[in-house]
Amino acid sequence: EAGVAQSPRYKIIEKRQSVAFWCNPISGHATLYWYQQILGQGPKLLIQFQNNGVVDDSQLPKDRFSAERLKGVDSTLKIQPAKLEDSAVYLCASSLTSGGSLTDTQYFGPGTRLTVL
Amino acid sequence: AQSVTQLGSHVSVSEGALVLLRCNYSSSVPPYLFWYVQYPNQGLQLLLKYTTGATLVKGINGFEAEFKKSETSFHLTKPSAHMSDAAEYFCAVSEGGYQKVTFGTGTKLQVIP
Repeated sequence: EAGVAQSPRYKIIEKRQSVAFWCNPISGHATLYWYQQILGQGPKLLIQFQNNGVVDDSQLPKDRFSAERLKGVDSTLKIQPAKLEDSAVYLCASSLTSGGSLTDTQYFGPGTRLTVL
Repeated sequence: AQSVTQLGSHVSVSEGALVLLRCNYSSSVPPYLFWYVQYPNQGLQLLLKYTTGATLVKGINGFEAEFKKSETSFHLTKPSAHMSDAAEYFCAVSEGGYQKVTFGTGTKLQVIP
């Protein structure tokens, strides 16, 4: 079974530029998550999709971050414009159920390391 | 609101020694608790999880954790450390809804040969 795929693995941009990350979850997984992991901290949930609908985006800085999950499969996360404090690893995860089971396992991709100069 | 505190950002043990990584949680409802491991330049991998039932949970790679409600703790242990256990470990808690999970700040485990 293929895991969660993310691209690119690394990205370096100047502040005020735009950047986009892509995630392809495990086939058949209904739930998709984007996390931000700043160096020295644990992952912080940015947005959670159930199929192609947003379940939770309470910690997404909506003035500069946007995300979509078209057709309930893969997803993109965009930052426009980027700030220095956006430097982090952006992790995508997926889980199987669409019923919000708390016992369901999240499977993580390798992440995209973003450096904003 | 739920939260997790991991005691010790860095832990060093000798190969073959006991591994003990500490985690305390705060939750307004019975929590679900998780331990994840992250190897360099990789995503997180679930080691084990507690939902309900038996309070001693066994996971992969010989790790286990015990849920102690009275102490609000969920410490991770392994009887004998192996070099391959060197990684960062995250404790996490979830208390409701669509699996919103809150992670701790992580503990880096160093295994000394």
